[in-house]
Amino acid sequence: GENVEQHPSTLSVQEGDSAVIKCTYSDSASNYFPWYKQELGKGPQLIIDIRSNVGEKKDQRIAVTLNKTAKHFSLHITETQPEDSAVYFCAAIPWGGSYIPTFGRGTSLIVHP
Amino acid sequence: EAGVTQFPSHSVIEKGQTVTLRCDPISGHDNLYWYRRVMGKEIKFLLHFVKESKQDESGMPNNRFLAERTGGTYSTLKVQPAELEDSGVYFCASGRGQGDTQYFGPGTRLTVL
Repeated sequence: GENVEQHPSTLSVQEGDSAVIKCTYSDSASNYFPWYKQELGKGPQLIIDIRSNVGEKKDQRIAVTLNKTAKHFSLHITETQPEDSAVYFCAAIPWGGSYIPTFGRGTSLIVHP
Repeated sequence: EAGVTQFPSHSVIEKGQTVTLRCDPISGHDNLYWYRRVMGKEIKFLLHFVKESKQDESGMPNNRFLAERTGGTYSTLKVQPAELEDSGVYFCASGRGQGDTQYFGPGTRLTVL
């Protein structure tokens, strides 16, 4: 089955800095990669996603890159703000198959004012 | 529109007891998913309902776990008898179609002593 590795487990940055979270996957059948943000007391919420036919996608301060050959994808947050503090999860999904996501272990991002 | 709701938010029980978790999906969402996150680990898939039918229950740990979705609306997940390793946060998510965005509830934190 699919295995998703996510690093780092904890990331501490100063407000205004950039943050990068990296994930690798093992199953070449995975072709859809969503990122979720979980704030305290809430469930994970989709913030951005990328499909395997695209190498990069950007939405304001967040961007995701995908390297299909190397089987890794990354989340980039620029100009971080305290409200970006949360746990971030990556996932890999076999789109057109089971549609069931395999999640990474999560990254706790702390943005210091 | 109201989001996915889960009840209770927290539950502390002793080993051997029974606990029932409830999930109310977003109205009109035929697809309902249960996930579990053990502390510090990845969010793991448990099972998937389409309306009242179990589409995929490959993630259910063992026969101590029973999920139902009578009438295709809310769902319950019963753990009987609970064991220490059942502790974790149980998330429910719903989606309109099988490949559509999944919206997560806030989770139920289960502690088995």
